[in-house]
Amino acid sequence: GESVGLHLPTLSVQEGDNSIINCAYSNSASDYFIWYKQESGKGPQFIIDIRSNMDKRQGQRVTVLLNKTVKHLSLQIAATQPGDSAVYFCAENTGFGNEKLTFGTGTRLTIIP
Amino acid sequence: NAGVTQTPKFRVLKTGQSMTLLCAQDMNHEYMYWYRQDPGMGLRLIHYSVGEGTTAKGEVPDGYNVSRLKKQNFLLGLESAAPSQTSVYFCASSYGGTGELFFGEGSRLTVL
Repeated sequence: GESVGLHLPTLSVQEGDNSIINCAYSNSASDYFIWYKQESGKGPQFIIDIRSNMDKRQGQRVTVLLNKTVKHLSLQIAATQPGDSAVYFCAENTGFGNEKLTFGTGTRLTIIP
Repeated sequence: NAGVTQTPKFRVLKTGQSMTLLCAQDMNHEYMYWYRQDPGMGLRLIHYSVGEGTTAKGEVPDGYNVSRLKKQNFLLGLESAAPSQTSVYFCASSYGGTGELFFGEGSRLTVL
């Protein structure tokens, strides 16, 4: 079946360095993608989104890149901080409108002081 | 402004027992969702609602029922709990037309 997946389940990055979290998706009909951050013991929190008519979108210290040719999504976090340690999920829209999202399995990012 | 509130936060059930998880949101959102999260897996959609009085099945609806009698509340029911329903349950809400979901803190359910 079609699903959203991740290349790496864990990632460790030195504080201050940049991190890149990758995500592969298989549903070529998906047109909307979102990154969520989940800290331990909490619910996921929206970070940034991107529509399929865009290649790149920037937020505060975060950038999402979308490569529709290879169905690949990435989240770049600049100048990582200890508070960036969390599990990051990519999600894609698979329903009519935006009422249903399919989440990937997540990547655990650990920031090393 | 509390956002999305889930009750209870923890519950232990015996196989065959029933229970209801309550989700309340104070953001006047139209859309509400129930997800479950299991170790090593992403969130999987159980049921969702696009407005008061409406519900729809998600990816893993079997064994669960839901109701949306009031716009601000979304209830998830387990009629006969099974060990396979041991999980962390997350409720979320959204304005609709956007993928920005607002999640609660989660409800950890253990079925023995």
